[in-house]
Amino acid sequence: EVQLVESGGGLVQPGGSLRLSCVASGFTFSDHYMDWIRQAPGKGLEWVGRVRKKPNGYTTEYAASVNGRFSISRDDSTYSLYLHMNSLKTEDTAMYYCVRVKTGVAYNFDYWGQGTLVTVSS
Amino acid sequence: DIQMTQSPSSLSASIGDTVTITCRASQGISRSLAWYQQKPEKAPKSLVYGASSLESGVPSRFSGSGSGTDFTLTISSLQPEDFATYYCQQYGSYPVTFGQGTRLEIK
Repeated sequence: EVQLVESGGGLVQPGGSLRLSCVASGFTFSDHYMDWIRQAPGKGLEWVGRVRKKPNGYTTEYAASVNGRFSISRDDSTYSLYLHMNSLKTEDTAMYYCVRVKTGVAYNFDYWGQGTLVTVSS
Repeated sequence: DIQMTQSPSSLSASIGDTVTITCRASQGISRSLAWYQQKPEKAPKSLVYGASSLESGVPSRFSGSGSGTDFTLTISSLQPEDFATYYCQQYGSYPVTFGQGTRLEIK
């Protein structure tokens, strides 16, 4: 059974930093791109960014709203995905989801974690 | 960025009805479109990818169609568990973008 379990959310002041983690199980982690998606309270879904797999050089892509402040990394040996968040703003307050990118003919998000809540407030 | 526009934003329907949700892309995305279902306080669930392919385990009353810029998600014979919010998403180019969501409510 595929599982994605996020952790690391919490309350942080504006300008602060936070690192979110996601531990995967039930599939070969190294075979998949992995993404982060966020959802502000009562709002829709917003893509945050992606880390590709080793054959693709572990390269990353980011939404403009977080580019230069957030970075995504992964550790295939521990089946872990990370979101490093710096210079946090109140508008970064959201539930953050770790998601698996489907392999093969499509690049949709076929499995989601339960999310971890980040609140940026003074 | 490719803008994804869903219509309607909300919809009321009864058990057993058939409903259709539309998603329009601001530029062509071939068939690089997915649909997700989200229930309150839960993570989204993938329903459709490649515009019309159902994820494993998704009931056949769900169907997707379209290509280019215009797409639809149809739910036939609505069941109580189908009342939720639905999002379309394009993955044809970066950044990945979502529609604003369609809330399906019980009439």
